[in-house]
Amino acid sequence: GQQLNQSPQSMFIQEGEDVSMNCTSSSIFNTWLWYKQDPGEGPVLLIALYKAGELTSNGRLTAQFGITRKDSFLNISASIPSDVGIYFCAGRTNQAGTALIFGKGTTLSVSS
Amino acid sequence: GAVVSQHPSWVICKSGTSVKIECRSLDFQATTMFWYRQFPKQSLMLMATSNEGSKATYEQGVEKDKFLINHASLTLSTLTVTSAHPEDSSFYICSASTGTSGATDTQYFGPGTRLTVL
Repeated sequence: GQQLNQSPQSMFIQEGEDVSMNCTSSSIFNTWLWYKQDPGEGPVLLIALYKAGELTSNGRLTAQFGITRKDSFLNISASIPSDVGIYFCAGRTNQAGTALIFGKGTTLSVSS
Repeated sequence: GAVVSQHPSWVICKSGTSVKIECRSLDFQATTMFWYRQFPKQSLMLMATSNEGSKATYEQGVEKDKFLINHASLTLSTLTVTSAHPEDSSFYICSASTGTSGATDTQYFGPGTRLTVL
C-alpha cells in the first residue's frame, strides 16, 4: 500500500536553531498537509499545500510541495521552546473527502 | 481555521460496557469525517471513513460491529465502542473534511478522546 517516509524520527536542538524535516511517498500526492500534535491533544494543521512546487509560509514555518509530487519538507526557523511536539506530514492521492496517509512523525525537542 | 470538537475528552469505563464518543464540526459542514486511533508514541491509524447519511467504510482489520459509527448530520459523527475491553484503551481522534471541490480539501482534527477500559 501507499507509504509515507518521514524523517528524521526525532530531533534535539537548541533554542534559536533552524529545523528541517521531510516526507517522501511512494505515490504521487495532490495534497500535502503538515500538522503538529502536543501530548494528549489532536493534531493541529500548520500548513496545507495543494500544488506541485508550492512554497507556503506560516510565521516561522515554511513548507514546500515537491515538484515531483512525491515529497514535501517543513522548515522551522529560529526555534523556540513551544515548538516542542510531534510533527506529522500527511498526504492524499485522490479527490476531496478521501482519507489522509500519515507519516510516522518527527518528535522535536528544544532546549533553552 | 475550522473547529472540530470531541466529547468526552476522556472516559474511564468498566470492561464490557459501551462508550460513545461524539465528533462535531462547529463552524462548517463536514460531508466526510474520519476516525483514527493512536497508540502512545505512534502515528494516527485510520479506523473508518464516515459519510453523512451512509454507512461508514472501515479499514481492514477494524471490526465494524465493535466500533459503530453513525454520521447522522453534516456536523456530527459518533463512534461507539461496544463491549469495551482493556485492549480498546487508546486515544481516539476524529477529523472532519471541508470537502471543498478540487484539491483544496483540508482535514481538521478534534482534540481527541482518551479511553481507558478497566
